[in-house]
Amino acid sequence: AQKITQTQPGMFVQEKEAVTLDCTYDTSDPSYGLFWYKQPSSGEMIFLIYQGSYDQQNATEGRYSLNFQKARKSANLVISASQLGDSAMYFCAMREVMDTGRRALTFGSGTRLQVQP
Amino acid sequence: DAEITQSPRHKITETGRQVTLACHQTWNHNNMFWYRQDLGHGLRLIHYSYGVQDTNKGEVSDGYSVSRSNTEDLPLTLESAASSQTSVYFCASSGGRERREQYFGPGTRLTVT
Repeated sequence: AQKITQTQPGMFVQEKEAVTLDCTYDTSDPSYGLFWYKQPSSGEMIFLIYQGSYDQQNATEGRYSLNFQKARKSANLVISASQLGDSAMYFCAMREVMDTGRRALTFGSGTRLQVQP
Repeated sequence: DAEITQSPRHKITETGRQVTLACHQTWNHNNMFWYRQDLGHGLRLIHYSYGVQDTNKGEVSDGYSVSRSNTEDLPLTLESAASSQTSVYFCASSGGRERREQYFGPGTRLTVT
């Protein structure tokens, strides 16, 4: 079973509008973390936002917020007031304990967001 | 400024050759990771290390090896390159802070012909 599922291969949004990118996860680790990364066409991976499994409040970082619904195992990224520079690939990732006993990230397959003027 | 670098940025090699991709970080992070990125798969974990002399296999470790002799470096070796290993390889590191976000290198594009 997929540990991280991003069901939207591609999304379009108008400039200045808000957009939600979906992410669902599956883990039995009670102490997990959820991350969102942005990958523009230049290829680098840019950290956006983090939510810990025990965090009571949804994380926010500037125009990015994470809609964390623990019971539904979802961690959607909300980008407010989209800008042309937000056009990129977005990856959801989960940090959990591995078979080795160490913690590492598992990534989803990504959502390509295109912001239209 | 602290950074994480990868070399080479682009590499073309032949099937069967041994290839080593370098990763160097100046964050003084204990944790380092190698991923490969292929279309439709996102990033998949190859190997990771939580400190000197510590290495662990990830999801797609077959055909790859790593060794950690110091804090700054985690080289990735393809023992006998195969065409299926054509990919973009990312190195990442993270520290001991609670959030532990990973900082990524710029990536190495490897083509195996």
